[in-house]
Amino acid sequence: QQQVKQSPQSLIVQKGGISIINCAYENTAFDYFPWYQQFPGKGPALLIAIRPDVSEKKEGRFTISFNKSAKQFSLHIMDSQPGDSATYFCAAKTSGTYKYIFGTGTRLKVLA
Amino acid sequence: NAGVTQTPKFQVLKTGQSMTLQCAQDMNHEYMSWYRQDPGMGLRLIHYSVGAGITDQGEVPNGYNVSRSTTEDFPLRLLSAAPSQTSVYFCASSFTRDYHEQFFGPGTRLTVL
Repeated sequence: QQQVKQSPQSLIVQKGGISIINCAYENTAFDYFPWYQQFPGKGPALLIAIRPDVSEKKEGRFTISFNKSAKQFSLHIMDSQPGDSATYFCAAKTSGTYKYIFGTGTRLKVLA
Repeated sequence: NAGVTQTPKFQVLKTGQSMTLQCAQDMNHEYMSWYRQDPGMGLRLIHYSVGAGITDQGEVPNGYNVSRSTTEDFPLRLLSAAPSQTSVYFCASSFTRDYHEQFFGPGTRLTVL
């Protein structure tokens, strides 16, 4: 049972464009929503994260938008660069635990 | 700091064999986890630990065993390998339970024939 649904599965964006990846969840007991970036042959690395009491968080070119009522959150990559080409995973942590549920991933390719 | 290290990088097993995947961290992190990554399925939590001597099951624990005798090490044991356990395994650690970055190791690619 997939509790965090991620879309799209793959995404191709021109250099300088905006990349948008979406995630939806069902469990209202989630209390932390990180996004991870993974390059081929490497482990995932934290990109940016948000708590449910905040509607938006921005770090450089990366922004998380969070809609608590809709149970959705999204990653926006502004001015996308070829170096951003990677797989991106959203995740959610169950409150009071160390249990994370990950989305299925989005493979982003930024064309030069 | 070496961060999170995993050994071996690659492993091929025959069905029924057992083995231990090693994970170590030198950041004095209390929290550690094991995930498996399969195509199209993201990362799924196998087992996790909230400190030395304390472990619990994740989403897909069957066929795996863990123990945590020290803060630094969190080995994952495959008791009797099956082809369904062919996957890439990642170990992760973090300083606290809430709102802190999980640091992932480089992974172990396991093939079970």
